[in-house]
Amino acid sequence: ILNVEQSPQSLHVQEGDSTNFTCSFPSSNFYALHWYRWETAKSPEALFVMTLNGDEKKKGRISATLNTKEGYSYLYIKGSQPEDSATYLCAPRTGGGNKLTFGTGTQLKVEL
Amino acid sequence: DTAVSQTPKYLVTQMGNDKSIKCEQNLGHDTMYWYKQDSKKFLKIMFSYNNKELIINETVPNRFSPKSPDKAHLNLHINSLELGDSAVYFCASSRTGENQPQHFGDGTRLSIL
Repeated sequence: ILNVEQSPQSLHVQEGDSTNFTCSFPSSNFYALHWYRWETAKSPEALFVMTLNGDEKKKGRISATLNTKEGYSYLYIKGSQPEDSATYLCAPRTGGGNKLTFGTGTQLKVEL
Repeated sequence: DTAVSQTPKYLVTQMGNDKSIKCEQNLGHDTMYWYKQDSKKFLKIMFSYNNKELIINETVPNRFSPKSPDKAHLNLHINSLELGDSAVYFCASSRTGENQPQHFGDGTRLSIL
């Protein structure tokens, strides 16, 4: 069973703060790493798909980095806004057929 | 203009019954998936179909049978429902190929009485 760990489990920040969280996964047999954002009462929404060691992706105020050799990825949010409140899931691709193994996520709450 | 839609949204039924959850996508994707969100909130892959062909089949009781009448639909049929089947089931779709982002439906909450 693939062990995907995300930390912290939950996070409260103030509006305007920058924050980051971690996804750890086994570095062997790495194919790709997905990040998803999941707002309450909605469905998970794809943020990034990262494949190369050292990869960095950016979407607005959200960015992610990838270290495949040591098996981790960081997600950064700059200047957090209340609308960033959501659970952020990472999922390494663990096999053919685009098979993903999800972590339990980091629940972010941004307060005014 | 919903991209991935699942019906019903909620399903409450008795133990031992047979039920189906339907999923449809209008994104033109060739690959569809079923996930189960378990009690610890993990999203776990159950099945994946590409162009009506089974690609991923995880260790799932054979009471669960996916059916794909065409590439835009992937339905999940569950026989002889058990208490442990209570969960939220998510359908997703993606383009064919590895490393494609997946697009999720809103989930179906199944409750077994």
